[in-house]
Amino acid sequence: NFMLTQPQSVSESPGKTVTISCTRSSGSIARNYVQWYQQRPGSSPTTVIYEDNQRPSGVPDRFSGSIDSSSNSASLKISGLKTEDEADYYCQSYDSSNQVFGGGTKLTVL
Amino acid sequence: EVQLLESGGGLVQPGGSLRLSCAASGFTFSSYVMSWVRQAPGKGLEWVSAISGSGYRTYYADSVKGRFTVSRDNSKNTLYLQMNNLRAEDTATYYCAKDPYYGGEMPTMGDYWGQGTLVTVSS
Repeated sequence: NFMLTQPQSVSESPGKTVTISCTRSSGSIARNYVQWYQQRPGSSPTTVIYEDNQRPSGVPDRFSGSIDSSSNSASLKISGLKTEDEADYYCQSYDSSNQVFGGGTKLTVL
Repeated sequence: EVQLLESGGGLVQPGGSLRLSCAASGFTFSSYVMSWVRQAPGKGLEWVSAISGSGYRTYYADSVKGRFTVSRDNSKNTLYLQMNNLRAEDTATYYCAKDPYYGGEMPTMGDYWGQGTLVTVSS
């Protein structure tokens, strides 16, 4: 099994851009798709990025995802930050028999 | 519209048992892998278990293997999680989640999630 490591917290001002990283401990980051979930307090997770860089309908194009094989990591970039983006964000991937979540990153927009 | 509605959570003593249910609607239930994901209070998400659309293949996290059993009744569009020998560290909100791939056999990701049901293990 592998692990996904995220920063515990990030903060940025409204209108700015923030990037959250997610590093895979073993095996190639490109081996299986990476997803990103947003979870606001008291709510269930919702998908903001799936299959590395795809946005579900309804998710604004301020959200983008990418992977970098050289650092074996995935990234979630949120541009034009809004106060409503303040939430916990989780990266997630999988292998042949289980799903793996990162520890989550608390995004503060202040 | 896809809907997932969990039920069955509550307070149980250590060593006790509980069965969670997840009623699904709005999609062809039998064609999708379904997963259970939990979240301890103030903590992150942890994948628990999954089951293929047919029910023939099941998957478990090491932390619950041998204690939890996932099943489904495709005639009732319902997913279950039987939890035995519960421990304090099983205290969490349990979510069911639908996989996005039609006919898939292994858990990959969740495109729709339920609202969760809280399980508290305490004496």
